[in-house]
Amino acid sequence: NAGVTQTPKFQVLKTGQSMTLQCAQDMNHEYMSWYRQDPGMGLRLIHYSVGAGITDQGEVPNGYNVSRSTTEDFPLRLLSAAPSQTSVYFCATRGGFNQPQHFGDGTRLSIL
Amino acid sequence: QKEVEQDPGPLSVPEGAIVSLNCTYSNSAFQYFMWYRQYSRKGPELLMYTYSSGNKEDGRFTAQVDKSSKYISLFIRDSQPSDSATYLCATRSGNTGKLIFGQGTTLQVKP
Repeated sequence: NAGVTQTPKFQVLKTGQSMTLQCAQDMNHEYMSWYRQDPGMGLRLIHYSVGAGITDQGEVPNGYNVSRSTTEDFPLRLLSAAPSQTSVYFCATRGGFNQPQHFGDGTRLSIL
Repeated sequence: QKEVEQDPGPLSVPEGAIVSLNCTYSNSAFQYFMWYRQYSRKGPELLMYTYSSGNKEDGRFTAQVDKSSKYISLFIRDSQPSDSATYLCATRSGNTGKLIFGQGTTLQVKP
């Protein structure tokens, strides 16, 4: 049981480049979400999805796009990377509404 | 003011000590409370999950929630070097699934 799988684990981009961070889960969870973690800021919600075809914005959505075409996958897209998007990105899933979220091991992204 | 406040530490204790980690929150609508442990270069791992006020125990870990004072705590008994990690408190309201995290407290347990 792989749980939540994030790829790649590390990436370096140049300002203005685009990239997609992948998140896949094998637990058949409806709820999926993306967070970024920065020193002193904790984890902040970027976007989330309550099921295939449904997405919504979190606390810090600017500069990021998401889509949810299947239950298993929830990719996060940076259309034009900026140095302020240098961070560690975590994907999380949740089973039922009252269940806790489970996290992947993150993607470490540096933008030069 | 942040919705969830947590002292970032770092906190350093000797092996075998009792560790107390604390968070405060501002919104009385928050109903669910979690503690996550995060090792370096890994994702947060759920430790404790509770809904009600009071204590919840799991092995060496005890989570305590006081809704009247909006205060949540995690106690670690007989701390071990393997407990060295960052501990994140989190909460959410009953109406949304969105988690609000504290900054995390870095704990080091010295042998």
